[in-house]
Amino acid sequence: KAGVTQTPRYLIKTRGQQVTLSCSPISGHRSVSWYQQTPGQGLQFLFEYFSETQRNKGNFPGRFSGRQFSNSRSEMNVSTLELGDSALYLCASSLAGQVPYGYTFGSGTRLTVV
Amino acid sequence: QQQVKQSPQSLIVQKGGISIINCAYENTAFDYFPWYQQFPGKGPALLIAIRPDVSEKKEGRFTISFNKSAKQFSLHIMDSQPGDSATYFCAAAKSSGDKLTFGTGTRLAVRP
Repeated sequence: KAGVTQTPRYLIKTRGQQVTLSCSPISGHRSVSWYQQTPGQGLQFLFEYFSETQRNKGNFPGRFSGRQFSNSRSEMNVSTLELGDSALYLCASSLAGQVPYGYTFGSGTRLTVV
Repeated sequence: QQQVKQSPQSLIVQKGGISIINCAYENTAFDYFPWYQQFPGKGPALLIAIRPDVSEKKEGRFTISFNKSAKQFSLHIMDSQPGDSATYFCAAAKSSGDKLTFGTGTRLAVRP
């Protein structure tokens, strides 16, 4: 079966711009979680969505937001980009009730802010 | 506050040797401890996981050892192969529905 699909794979943005990243979960997976991966901080939890509702949120500023659609696809948005937002953004999908045990991660979107 | 500390940061092992990566946690509410393997350009993939009710779990060449009183757990890779060269992350979570708290990662290189 198809894995978790993240688009785009690479993105270069200018400081101050905004960006939207997309994640299509494995078919049947209704939970989508987002993580930011940087060399200095490792993997940090951003938020989790289930049935179009944000169920859990990490310690990131309000510039980071997300949403989930009725088909379980999720998007995350970062507004007013800063150089420090350069990172690999990973999403993980899982079955309902299998968070975080059944996580399957996508390959990520590499965001570079210049 | 870093709740899961991982060491070493990098590790070089000869083919056939044993790779050992250690993690320590602070939050006694954690009850799920997975290890993830990440290759360049890929997302992390679950390797093996353990609950605190057992002290050891083995899957093939990979073994988790868990010490609840010391709040430590480790990954042992027996007969390490060049194909095992990757970054390994330990993690912890409190319960179903909780997020994963990750260690900072260990870059493993297995020399032929």
